[in-house]
Amino acid sequence: DTAVSQTPKYLVTQMGNDKSIKCEQNLGHDTMYWYKQDSKKFLKIMFSYNNKELIINETVPNRFSPKSPDKAHLNLHINSLELGDSAVYFCASSSAGQDNSPLHFGNGTRLTVT
Amino acid sequence: AQSVTQLGSHVSVSEGALVLLRCNYSSSVPPYLFWYVQYPNQGLQLLLKYTSAATLVKGINGFEAEFKKSETSFHLTKPSAHMSDAAEYFCAVRTGTASKLTFGTGTRLQVTL
Repeated sequence: DTAVSQTPKYLVTQMGNDKSIKCEQNLGHDTMYWYKQDSKKFLKIMFSYNNKELIINETVPNRFSPKSPDKAHLNLHINSLELGDSAVYFCASSSAGQDNSPLHFGNGTRLTVT
Repeated sequence: AQSVTQLGSHVSVSEGALVLLRCNYSSSVPPYLFWYVQYPNQGLQLLLKYTSAATLVKGINGFEAEFKKSETSFHLTKPSAHMSDAAEYFCAVRTGTASKLTFGTGTRLQVTL
């Protein structure tokens, strides 16, 4: 019954490695997002996809590359990981066409870069 | 540009006391406003949303918020705090389906006996 699911929940890796986080939603939504939450709990949008098309791309290093194979999935690949990438990454989804449509969030992926 | 400001990064109340978490927004067009709650090591859960149908919005767990255009505010309240309300609360604003959801910096609510 999980609406927005992310894997893995925890990810510990060394600097310079490449890693991916996967996200899937079963809500029938057509818009998906990646948010980054830093150690002070500040949430900042990174990307948004609508029907597999990139619609929001905030100022994010190009080491971060989202991929949406279909509207139910949005994965995040990170190359050459740096210490500053350590954070909790949240996937979310919503329904386009409804201005007040809330975002539904996954439980997050805690990335620790050592 | 849209933004929200949450006054007070940390609020402490006694169990049974009134909860008031403040949120002010800035938007050049009519905003859509949301309150989310985040429990430790969990994702964000929607508490309530402002839909412009009514200025007083009721949400889950006994929370409500009132939209005041003249004050550009959307404060969150609950008449009687419970220990289980201890969490991080985020106010957020959006100005259309194509726009991003912008979050405030969050307010940590502590509930004491």
